[in-house]
Amino acid sequence: GAVVSQHPSRVICKSGTSVKIECRSLDFQATTMFWYRQFPKQSLMLMATSNEGSKATYEQGVEKDKFLINHASLTLSTLTVTSAHPEDSSFYICSASPGFHDSRREKLFFGSGTQLSVL
Amino acid sequence: GENVEQHPSTLSVQEGDSAVIKCTYSDSASNYFPWYKQELGKRPQLIIDIRSNVGEKKDQRIAVTLNKTAKHFSLHITETQPEDSAVYFCAASTGGFKTIFGAGTRLFVKA
Repeated sequence: GAVVSQHPSRVICKSGTSVKIECRSLDFQATTMFWYRQFPKQSLMLMATSNEGSKATYEQGVEKDKFLINHASLTLSTLTVTSAHPEDSSFYICSASPGFHDSRREKLFFGSGTQLSVL
Repeated sequence: GENVEQHPSTLSVQEGDSAVIKCTYSDSASNYFPWYKQELGKRPQLIIDIRSNVGEKKDQRIAVTLNKTAKHFSLHITETQPEDSAVYFCAASTGGFKTIFGAGTRLFVKA
């Protein structure tokens, strides 16, 4: 399989601060990465689709000014939770899919997730 | 919109028994159906997948079946072991792009 690295794995921050989460594809180029939020005992909720070199596409109900996504290169996407509040506490996880010419192109590979706790 | 329904939400089996998880999807354009296993606090791991031109696929104790006409697909785990205990998610996608996940099945394998 392919490797997707996500950092940090856990972060605790004060209310009102911003937190940046990084997602890197280590052995393939990813023109598209996905960001999810997962509440305890629930499924993965797609927040946005991150496209290299262009604006992210947000799912309905997800505030784009709250969750800033930057896909600066073919191997890096970042999610910044701005002015975090306790209700933003959750498990955030990214995924990436290799490009069209990669034999693994249909498959999604996940980062290890970031547990965010906002005090 | 597109939807993937997954049942049951919780499944408890005795070690050695089989476990079956079923999913239905709504988007007829879906052509790729992966299954993921997620342990608590960890990333989902792809365990098996099937493409729409195949009706069945098997990998050791795990098998997946697909009925494209009925838009049903199922995961079968035989000879279950305690380490199979986890949450399993089915998903449907149009090939690497937007993937819709089922709600998950929490599998407990009792020793």
